[in-house]
Amino acid sequence: AQKVTQAQTEISVVEKEDVTLDCVYETRDTTYYLFWYKQPPSGELVFLIRRNSFDEQNEISGRYSWNFQKSTSSFNFTITASQVVDSAVYFCALSGDLTGGGNKLTFGTGTQLKVEL
Amino acid sequence: GAGVSQSPSNKVTEKGKDVELRCDPISGHTALYWYRQSLGQGLEFLIYFQGNSAPDKSGLPSDRFSAERTGGSVSTLTIQRTQQEDSAVYLCASSLMAYTGELFFGEGSRLTVL
Repeated sequence: AQKVTQAQTEISVVEKEDVTLDCVYETRDTTYYLFWYKQPPSGELVFLIRRNSFDEQNEISGRYSWNFQKSTSSFNFTITASQVVDSAVYFCALSGDLTGGGNKLTFGTGTQLKVEL
Repeated sequence: GAGVSQSPSNKVTEKGKDVELRCDPISGHTALYWYRQSLGQGLEFLIYFQGNSAPDKSGLPSDRFSAERTGGSVSTLTIQRTQQEDSAVYLCASSLMAYTGELFFGEGSRLTVL
């Protein structure tokens, strides 16, 4: 069975602080994919990133960066110089081999990030 | 708009009544998913459609839940004899192909069962 754990339920930071959202996963698949989604107050989840299990290179996109470590089964997300607009619930998700007939994602319970002035 | 459209956005019903939730995916997206989001529970997978067929309906919680998709487009999630524990936000998502993992979500239908 697949499982995603986001131990941080809520994080509050002051604008311009850096913040890291933790994600730990469990899977028996050798091929799997990891995702982060953002859910702003409007409710519509927005795709942020997909990584496959064979690519452990860290990725940076603007103020966002992701650290994938298979050795610790973690896929952490860091926001540098946070802004109020980053306030949202962030979900980490996991799927098995996407070509196996569908991309059913297993989501964590989410981390509520509040960025205050 | 060009995004995933869900209706109704809010539904309040009495216990025991049937409800239908509708999802209109992005045009051309072959894969369609229903998820349920309950407070503090994350997102729970319900069912996946590829075209009009449902290869994976493993997440439907009971036989009171059913879903169909017609014309490879619009999908309807039906909950019969609603119970209070069915109260949740029901999210629909679509993707261009089934193996990208990049899902485009609607804003959800909030169901409250009194």
